[in-house]
Amino acid sequence: DQQVKQNSPSLSVQEGRISILNCDYTNSMFDYFLWYKKYPAEGPTFLISISSIKDKNEDGRFTVFLNKSAKHLSLHIVPSQPGDSAVYFCAASEGTTSGTYKYIFGTGTRLKVLA
Amino acid sequence: NAGVMQNPRHLVRRRGQEARLRCSPMKGHSHVYWYRQLPEEGLKFMVYLQKENIIDESGMPKERFSAEFPKEGPSILRIQQVVRGDSAAYFCASSPNSINYGYTFGSGTRLTVV
Repeated sequence: DQQVKQNSPSLSVQEGRISILNCDYTNSMFDYFLWYKKYPAEGPTFLISISSIKDKNEDGRFTVFLNKSAKHLSLHIVPSQPGDSAVYFCAASEGTTSGTYKYIFGTGTRLKVLA
Repeated sequence: NAGVMQNPRHLVRRRGQEARLRCSPMKGHSHVYWYRQLPEEGLKFMVYLQKENIIDESGMPKERFSAEFPKEGPSILRIQQVVRGDSAAYFCASSPNSINYGYTFGSGTRLTVV
């Protein structure tokens, strides 16, 4: 049972445009959400996160939006740069019930930013 | 500051052999987490350890897999009698305490069972 779903395995975007990566979840007990970025042959790198008490968190070019009623979150990258080409993983945790250490990951979306 | 160090980066084992994967946490971090990524899948939680203690091993397969984090030295993930299905990337992460808002992963060990 996949509790965190990234339904788009890949996405191509022109440099300078907006990249929107989507993530859906099924577990209403999730209260913390994260995005990780992964380059080939490297470990995942933490990018940005959001608590369930918020609906938006922004950090430079990266913004995460959370829609709890739809159980959906998205990562916006504006403007997209070729160096953003990587696999992006959405993750979630049930911090208040299971501890903040266990993340449930989606299967990832491969973003390619075209120069 | 060195990040989370994992070795070896690549490990090839024949079926039935043992695999030992090492993880040295970031300096000052005493909490370690192991995840496994099977081909075309996301990372899956395996185990959470503090120094000399296993806190949560709910993601560990019941047999052949074990983990430790001794008082001195790196954390070790041990897989006995490896099978082809164990072929995966194994990632370790660390944090200074149990409250986590995005911990740091190492570069991983890619295990191939032939």
